[in-house]
Amino acid sequence: AQKITQTQPGMFVQEKEAVTLDCTYDTSDPSYGLFWYKQPSSGEMIFLIYQGSYDQQNATEGRYSLNFQKARKSANLVISASQLGDSAMYFCAMREGFSQGGKLIFGQGTELSVKP
Amino acid sequence: ETGVTQSPTHLIKTRGQQVTLRCSSQSGHNTVSWYQQALGQGPQFIFQYYREEENGRGNFPPRFSGLQFPNYSSELNVNALELDDSALYLCASSLETEYEQYFGPGTRLTVT
Repeated sequence: AQKITQTQPGMFVQEKEAVTLDCTYDTSDPSYGLFWYKQPSSGEMIFLIYQGSYDQQNATEGRYSLNFQKARKSANLVISASQLGDSAMYFCAMREGFSQGGKLIFGQGTELSVKP
Repeated sequence: ETGVTQSPTHLIKTRGQQVTLRCSSQSGHNTVSWYQQALGQGPQFIFQYYREEENGRGNFPPRFSGLQFPNYSSELNVNALELDDSALYLCASSLETEYEQYFGPGTRLTVT
C-alpha cells in the first residue's frame, strides 16, 4: 500500500545552518513522483520541490535539495542556510503515476523551527 | 501567488447541517483536487475532478460530494455534518499532464 512516513514531528535548527527533514515512502508502482510542500501557519500549501522516480539526478530548487535514494525509498529534504521565514510545517507527498487520478498522499509532517 | 482562491475563509456549522465550499482554479487548469486536513495531520485526498467529471476518490463517504463547472471552478458539498468533519479543506488545481498541484489558502470548517 502506498504510504509516506515522516518520523520527525519537530525539528530545531539555528539560523544560517543546514537541516535535513526525513521522508520514506512505500509504493509498488515503478512510476511515481515525490514532493515537498511547506505549510505556514496561514494554511496554504506551498510547493517546494519535485523528484520523479526516473530522474537520475537529485532535484534542487534554490536553497532546497532533495536527497533521493531510490533503493532505500527515501526522499529527504535538505534546506541550506536556514532563514527565520523557513519556520513552518513541512510535508512530504507522493503521487503514483497518472493512472491514480493524480492524488497526492501526504505524510504526517515535520514542524521546523528556526532559531535566531 | 498561486492564483487558486477558496471561499469562505472560515465557517462554523452545527452538526447535521450541510455546507458548500468553493474553489476557483488557477487560470488554464482543468483539474481540481480536494483534500481534508485535520488538526495535526497531513492532508487526505477526498476526490478529484477533471473536465467536470469525478476522476478519483479517496476513502470518504458519499455525503462528501463535488461539482466542477465549465470554467473549471469547483464546489465541495458535505451533508449531515459530523464533529469529525472539522478541518481545513484545501483545494488544488493542476493540469492533468503536469506533476505540480497548486493549492489554495483553504477553508477552515468548524462543526459544533
